[in-house]
Amino acid sequence: AQSVAQPEDQVNVAEGNPLTVKCTYSVSGNPYLFWYVQYPNRGLQFLLKYITGDNLVKGSYGFEAEFNKSQTSFHLKKPSALVSDSALYFCAVRVPGGATNKLIFGTGTLLAVQP
Amino acid sequence: NAGVTQTPKFQVLKTGQSMTLQCAQDMNHEYMSWYRQDPGMGLRLIHYSVGAGITDQGEVPNGYNVSRSTTEDFPLRLLSAAPSQTSVYFCASSTDSRRNQPQHFGDGTRLSIL
Repeated sequence: AQSVAQPEDQVNVAEGNPLTVKCTYSVSGNPYLFWYVQYPNRGLQFLLKYITGDNLVKGSYGFEAEFNKSQTSFHLKKPSALVSDSALYFCAVRVPGGATNKLIFGTGTLLAVQP
Repeated sequence: NAGVTQTPKFQVLKTGQSMTLQCAQDMNHEYMSWYRQDPGMGLRLIHYSVGAGITDQGEVPNGYNVSRSTTEDFPLRLLSAAPSQTSVYFCASSTDSRRNQPQHFGDGTRLSIL
């Protein structure tokens, strides 16, 4: 079965330090991978995606993610965290094949950046 | 642009009542979907539509109905509400469903079933 795992419920980091939010996936075929961010009482906002090509993908607000096929991972990174980055982050994978845009989401990781 | 608009933002129902959650988008998107968000479970797909007149079931469709009479609107109906349907519901839309374009989400409807 297709699945996405975010092994950490919460990540704590000090402002100015680098951050990593982990994501691993299990799909048959080539995955299409996404990161979304959710601020309190808001819907999800798109950060970045990997479809094909360069394994390092750059997205909004200074975030980037590295696709690693051998480790089936797609970790979200940022070189220097801001307090305003504190939010809930979701990794998602599109089910390959077919004509629909169905996404499978991870359970989310709460990022807390301390000043 | 308004994007994806969901109404109401909050609702409290009694078990057995029915209601419709509204979702409208003004971006002429083909693809629309409904998710529910529960603590520790991420977002789970309820129903989706690839265009007007076409709907299909997602991961957790039981207890919910949808229709897509226009490109803009994709309402979600609870015919007989149950406490297990207490959740936050999100509607999302995107362009061509085959091109991996990101989905645009509404701000959600927070639903409590007593």
